[in-house]
Amino acid sequence: EAGVAQSPRYKIIEKRQSVAFWCNPISGHATLYWYQQILGQGPKLLIQFQNNGVVDDSQLPKDRFSAERLKGVDSTLKIQPAKLEDSAVYLCASSLAFTGYTEAFFGQGTRLTVV
Amino acid sequence: ILNVEQSPQSLHVQEGDSTNFTCSFPSSNFYALHWYRWETAKSPEALFVMTLNGDEKKKGRISATLNTKEGYSYLYIKGSQPEDSATYLCAFRGNTGKLIFGQGTTLQVKP
Repeated sequence: EAGVAQSPRYKIIEKRQSVAFWCNPISGHATLYWYQQILGQGPKLLIQFQNNGVVDDSQLPKDRFSAERLKGVDSTLKIQPAKLEDSAVYLCASSLAFTGYTEAFFGQGTRLTVV
Repeated sequence: ILNVEQSPQSLHVQEGDSTNFTCSFPSSNFYALHWYRWETAKSPEALFVMTLNGDEKKKGRISATLNTKEGYSYLYIKGSQPEDSATYLCAFRGNTGKLIFGQGTTLQVKP
């Protein structure tokens, strides 16, 4: 079974530039998550999709971050414009559903450095 | 705001030592507690999904216990090996469906 695919693996941009990350979840997984993991901290949930609808985006900085999940499959996360404090690993995960017992499977993440 | 706390933040042990870490989480609206291992340059990998109070799960030398009434889970590693070096994350899933992570415990096992 193919895992969660993310690209790019690494990205370096200057502040105020834009960047986009892509995620392809495991086939058949209805729930997709984007997490931001800043060095020394745990992953923070940015947005959670159920199919192509948003379940939770309460911690997404909507003035600069946006995310979409077209046709309930692939997803993109965009930052525009980037700030220095956006430097982090961005993790995408998917699960069959968002009930208690279902395991979330993670991609390898995109390491973003904003200079 | 739901708070998931892990301790210690980091741990250095010698090969062969046994070790354990703690995850504290809200005791209300509990659905499940997940444990993940995250090795450098790899994806976080699920170790356990625990749902019932008193649950104990085991995978090789790693085991975990769950107390939902008081809101804590322990992860134990028996006879640590260098390949156990990783960050261990716990995540709480409540009735909202969100998966909320702790800050992780980073384990370094010296040969």
